[in-house]
Amino acid sequence: GAVVSQHPSRVICKSGTSVKIECRSLDFQATTMFWYRQFPKQSLMLMATSNEGSKATYEQGVEKDKFLINHASLTLSTLTVTSAHPEDSSFYICSAALAGATHYEQYFGPGTRLTVT
Amino acid sequence: AQTVTQSQPEMSVQEAETVTLSCTYDTSESDYYLFWYKQPPSRQMILVIRQEAYKQQNATENRFSVNFQKAAKSFSLKISDSQLGDAAMYFCASHLYGGATNKLIFGTGTLLAVQP
Repeated sequence: GAVVSQHPSRVICKSGTSVKIECRSLDFQATTMFWYRQFPKQSLMLMATSNEGSKATYEQGVEKDKFLINHASLTLSTLTVTSAHPEDSSFYICSAALAGATHYEQYFGPGTRLTVT
Repeated sequence: AQTVTQSQPEMSVQEAETVTLSCTYDTSESDYYLFWYKQPPSRQMILVIRQEAYKQQNATENRFSVNFQKAAKSFSLKISDSQLGDAAMYFCASHLYGGATNKLIFGTGTLLAVQP
C-alpha cells in the first residue's frame, strides 16, 4: 500500500513552454502533498506544500507564479512549470502524507526528469 | 531553525559486513519524528526506518537499526550483513510534530557503496 505515482517520468520541452507534472496517491487519501526538486548528487529541496482545496505554501525563494501547484482532490496534485527555461531542468519529486496518520511519514513518487532545451 | 547534518558524504562497506551512517540534528522541539530514507540509482525514495522521539527504544527493521541518542541529538543508522542492494544514497530526515510546520528536513545524504 501507500503508492504514489508521477506522470510523466521524463519530459523534454522547449524553452518558453509550460509543462505539467501529475502526482497521484493510488491507494490512499492524501491531505497534504509536497513537491521537491533535486539536483544531481544533492539532497531534496522542498519547493512547496500543497493541501487539498487550499493554496499551496511555497518555500522561500520559490517563485509561485512560475511553479503553479494545484491540489484539486485528495489523490491528485499537479505542478506546472510555466515558461520553462534551461535552468528549470531538474528532477522533480512529489510525496504524499497519509490523511489522519500521526507519524507524518511521506510516501514518495518515482520522480520526473525535466529537460528544457 | 531545524537542521539535519550528515557528515559522511560517502561510505563504503564490504558485503556481509556492518556499516554505520551518522546523522545529527538540531531542534528545539521535544516531540518529533526521525527517518532514514534510501534513494537507489532508480531515484525512488524508500523509507528505511522511523523513530519517534518520545520512544526511548531504538527502532529496528530487519537488518536496519538505529542508535537514537536524544540528548546528543544523534540518530545513526546501522546496516548489518550489508548486501549489494543496499548500495544507495541514504538521507536522514526529521519532522516537526504538529504546529504550523509540516515538512521533512533532509540532510545532505551519504552515498553508500557495497563492495562484493
